[in-house]
Amino acid sequence: DGGITQSPKYLFRKEGQNVTLSCEQNLNHDAMYWYRQDPGQGLRLIYYSQIVNDFQKGDIAEGYSVSREKKESFPLTVTSAQKNPTAFYLCASRSSGSSGEQFFGPGTRLTVL
Amino acid sequence: SQQGEEDPQALSIQEGENATMNCSYKTSINNLQWYRQNSGRGLVHLILIRSNEREKHSGRLRVTLDTSKKSSSLLITASRAADTASYFCATRDTGANSKLTFGKGITLSVRP
Repeated sequence: DGGITQSPKYLFRKEGQNVTLSCEQNLNHDAMYWYRQDPGQGLRLIYYSQIVNDFQKGDIAEGYSVSREKKESFPLTVTSAQKNPTAFYLCASRSSGSSGEQFFGPGTRLTVL
Repeated sequence: SQQGEEDPQALSIQEGENATMNCSYKTSINNLQWYRQNSGRGLVHLILIRSNEREKHSGRLRVTLDTSKKSSSLLITASRAADTASYFCATRDTGANSKLTFGKGITLSVRP
């Protein structure tokens, strides 16, 4: 099956700890994205990558970091510098040849205890 | 920054009725897209309309775009209980980057 996967589905973290969220796609897409979703606020862009070994900050990058060493993978690290990390995190990918349709993973719900 | 603003924030209708959801945006766009999200799940792409298009259909979905008013509407005809979900509009601006900017979403409830 072609698709985009995120793991884990639920993640709990203690304050002060870094945590890494996984995002993998086998769609052969060049571009990948990380969004944060809070209740009533829609999706906000954290980081995006249009090609391997390159990424750009989105609207709310502070307290987060990413890497793009492989086309298939775009992990997101939530660092201890992120003041309010409890949220639903969504990863997406897009073919460079498309008009902009993004394919989303199932999401990871992060809770800071 | 939030580009799209959906209206209404919540909509409750009876099965079989039509549902109309609106989206307004602020800047020039390349295209506008509508997505659906079931509770606790990822988003699913529904339909894309380009800035030079005025109307598009896909099954029970009809999307219109008015670039002079910077607004779009999504119509779901003959709604079903399974259409219950949150719906988001997203805009891709005319710049070179590939970012989408999402609205806050509309919660649609279809009563059986």
